[in-house]
Amino acid sequence: AQTVTQSQPEMSVQEAETVTLSCTYDTSESNYYLFWYKQPPSRQMILVIRQEAYKQQNATENRFSVNFQKAAKSFSLKISDSQLGDTAMYFCAFMSPPQTSGSRLTFGEGTQLTVNP
Amino acid sequence: DAGVIQSPRHEVTEMGQEVTLRCKPISGHDYLFWYRQTMMRGLELLIYFNNNVPIDDSGMPEDRFSAKMPNASFSTLKIQPSEPRDSAVYFCASSSTDTSQYFGPGTRLTVL
Repeated sequence: AQTVTQSQPEMSVQEAETVTLSCTYDTSESNYYLFWYKQPPSRQMILVIRQEAYKQQNATENRFSVNFQKAAKSFSLKISDSQLGDTAMYFCAFMSPPQTSGSRLTFGEGTQLTVNP
Repeated sequence: DAGVIQSPRHEVTEMGQEVTLRCKPISGHDYLFWYRQTMMRGLELLIYFNNNVPIDDSGMPEDRFSAKMPNASFSTLKIQPSEPRDSAVYFCASSSTDTSQYFGPGTRLTVL
């Protein structure tokens, strides 16, 4: 079974600075998908970014980018120019291709990010 | 699009009562998922449907839980009878074949 590990339960950053959240995963598969979700105090789960394992290029979405290291099974999230609204719990998630194991998402434990003014 | 819609947003009930949670997925999505979030266990997949058919219900904790998807635009998760340990936030999510899952706002369930 796949596992996802987020080793940083809490992190903080000053507004406008850059912060990186770590995520490692364990799988024997070669093709899969990785995601970062954000859960602010409203508890809504918001998709931040996704990465397909077969793509070598790191995904970016505005101020959010990932560093995907397939050999190391590492998938970190970088938030540039941090804003107060980025304060949230961030979850890393893994998914095998639907045809192999359905569309089950496996989540990490989460990292609570606080952006300080 | 309105996104995934869940109702109610909050539910407080007494032990032994039946609870029904509702979900409307994003139009055109053919996968629907029910998750439960607790402090102790984090986010857990309970069950998911593909084209209205239950595919994997291995995460459903026990027979007190049941889920249905009578059509492409509606699903229910029912707990009968409810117990205090069922207190959690229940999320519904949907996706299309591109695999990205989009979550609803969740239902916070409190069983007294």
